[in-house]
Amino acid sequence: DTGVSQNPRHKITKRGQNVTFRCDPISEHNRLYWYRQTLGQGPEFLTYFQNEAQLEKSRLLSDRFSAERPKGSFSTLEIQRTEQGDSAMYLCASSSAGADTDTQYFGPGTRLTVL
Amino acid sequence: AQSVAQPEDQVNVAEGNPLTVKCTYSVSGNPYLFWYVQYPNRGLQFLLKYITGDNLVKGSYGFEAEFNKSQTSFHLKKPSALVSDSALYFCAVRDRYSSASKIIFGSGTRLSIRP
Repeated sequence: DTGVSQNPRHKITKRGQNVTFRCDPISEHNRLYWYRQTLGQGPEFLTYFQNEAQLEKSRLLSDRFSAERPKGSFSTLEIQRTEQGDSAMYLCASSSAGADTDTQYFGPGTRLTVL
Repeated sequence: AQSVAQPEDQVNVAEGNPLTVKCTYSVSGNPYLFWYVQYPNRGLQFLLKYITGDNLVKGSYGFEAEFNKSQTSFHLKKPSALVSDSALYFCAVRDRYSSASKIIFGSGTRLSIRP
């Protein structure tokens, strides 16, 4: 079990640029979640996949945000036309469909800084 | 709507003393409750959860938490604090009967253990 991995760990970009983050869940975890965490706050839910289907999206996820999980394994989160308010830590988590389904295991996060 | 409150931004404890980190919750149904810990520049690590059964839940690193339905609380405890316990702690909740899989996090409590 190698845990949830996220790349890149850090991303600095200029306002207006597009960025894409990747998340590799724990193998055989069919559920994958994206959260956003700003300084001094707890993580806020963005979206959730079961296999390749995106089942829920938060109102926080504006039209500039899109997430995919095309083969039900890794996922990408893209932010178009970044704004300074998008600066945050983006966390990915995964969980299994079995007995431990309610426990979400988190990756190390991608810290985005928009200049 | 689901919500979690962590009334203390910071808790300071001397090494070897017992510690308590407070959490209260609000859900429309019966809750699933979680504690996570976050070390600097790292993702969230799962500590423990309450799903059903015994109100006293034991987790990683000697931590435990007590579910109190009448007080809608789920306080995190440890009998003897270690300096290495210093970190940011998050309480989280999910409505057991909600079709959504997202969990709602509190704003976090910074635990500082002095030698």
